[in-house]
Amino acid sequence: NAGVMQNPRHLVRRRGQEARLRCSPMKGHSHVYWYRQLPEEGLKFMVYLQKENIIDESGMPKERFSAEFPKEGPSILRIQQVVRGDSAAYFCASSPPDGTEQYFGPGTRLTVT
Amino acid sequence: GQNIDQPTEMTATEGAIVQINCTYQTSGFNGLFWYQQHAGEAPTFLSYNVLDGLEEKGRFSSFLSRSKGYSYLLLKELQMKDSASYLCAVKRGTNAGKSTFGDGTTLTVKP
Repeated sequence: NAGVMQNPRHLVRRRGQEARLRCSPMKGHSHVYWYRQLPEEGLKFMVYLQKENIIDESGMPKERFSAEFPKEGPSILRIQQVVRGDSAAYFCASSPPDGTEQYFGPGTRLTVT
Repeated sequence: GQNIDQPTEMTATEGAIVQINCTYQTSGFNGLFWYQQHAGEAPTFLSYNVLDGLEEKGRFSSFLSRSKGYSYLLLKELQMKDSASYLCAVKRGTNAGKSTFGDGTTLTVKP
């Protein structure tokens, strides 16, 4: 957890609202990954980004979900029109280019009511 | 595709040694991670193996055999605080490619 920042830590949204989750990678890391963890389940890969590029979004639902990592600022995971099934912990991780380590942020717990 | 298998649960005694196994089937293998995750918290990076052999870090060691698609995490001198879920994750493709996680092994350390 060395230095990866996520906010907010907890987010409550009503069905149909939008959720925006932010992630700032560890200093010196240029690669960001988003994972989702449902209660009592394992971590599932969603998307992998570098600055201004989506490298792999094979784990991202095709609708309502999008991610970006702009040249300036944090990476954003955006969920439109949230549903109860989106309630989960969303973790961001970052790594250096060689990928030999990957550190996780504290996560955002999303609750959809 | 990828298939990552770990035992669901293990129990061990404080002060003992425990070995948590992970087997995988994947194309384009490019490294294996082990993480520790306490309930309600984020995963903590423990180790990374890309070459065959044993990597030792204090009380924790990790082993990899690429030809067998097999890794293990060895925890020595177990402490109560080691009770947690241990996640095996396989990286494939490019150096910083995505990781696919196993479902984790819940370790309970008893006095």
